[in-house]
Amino acid sequence: QAVLTQPSSLSASPGASASLTCTLRSGINVDSFRIYWYQQKPGSPPQYLLRYKSESDTQQGSGVPSRFSGSKDASANAGILLISGLQSEDEADYYCLIWHSSAWVFGGGTKLTVL
Amino acid sequence: QVQLQESGPGLVKPSETLSLTCTVSGGSITGFFWSWIRQPPGKGPEWIGQIYYRGTTNYNPSLKSRVIISVDTSKNQISLDLNSVTAADTAIYYCARESSTDFDSWGQGTLVTVSS
Repeated sequence: QAVLTQPSSLSASPGASASLTCTLRSGINVDSFRIYWYQQKPGSPPQYLLRYKSESDTQQGSGVPSRFSGSKDASANAGILLISGLQSEDEADYYCLIWHSSAWVFGGGTKLTVL
Repeated sequence: QVQLQESGPGLVKPSETLSLTCTVSGGSITGFFWSWIRQPPGKGPEWIGQIYYRGTTNYNPSLKSRVIISVDTSKNQISLDLNSVTAADTAIYYCARESSTDFDSWGQGTLVTVSS
C-alpha cells in the first residue's frame, strides 16, 4: 500500500470549490505530519502552494492566493487541499508530500479539471 | 535569484550508469539541502535523494542501493549517479533546493531515456 494516496482525477466547475484529498497509509498518523501541496502544469516543475499541519502550523507559499488552503480530516487520516473560487488556470496536477522516515514521499497526484 | 541547471546524457543504455550534474548559479550551495527528483512521463514525481552542502545524504529506500549523490562546493555543483539502469528509470530528472519550508527552487529538468 502506498504511503500517500490521492484520487487520480477530479472535475469541478468554475467558481465552485474543490477538495483534494491525500490519504496516509494506515499506521501513519496524519496528525504527526506537515502535509505539503504542490501544483504542476505541463512542461514545468512542481510549484509549492502551501503546507499544513495544524491551524497554528501552516504556511502559504509566496504569491499563492488565499483561495488555496489546507486542512486535515483526522477521521479519514487525510490531508486536504481546498481550492475555492475555481478558475480555469487552476487546471493542473496536484501532489501532496510528506517527510516520512528520513525521506520525502510524494502522493501519486490528482489531475484537476475545471470545466 | 538562484538558478539550477541539470546537465548530462539524454540517452543511457540499459545496465549502465546514469550520471547528471546540477549547476547552481546566482547563489551558493552553502547552507542548504539539495534534492534530486525524477518524474517518468505521464506519472508523478519521485524523490531520489538529498545531500546537505556538507555531504550528509538521505536516499529513497527503493533506490538506495543504486544511487550516489555528491556535492562539489568549489564548483557549486551537485551530482547524481544511478547505476544498473533499466527502462523504468526513463524520466525527467530535476534538481531542487530545499529551503526551510519547501522545494523553493527547481531546475527545468532533463529528460533521460534508457534504451539500447
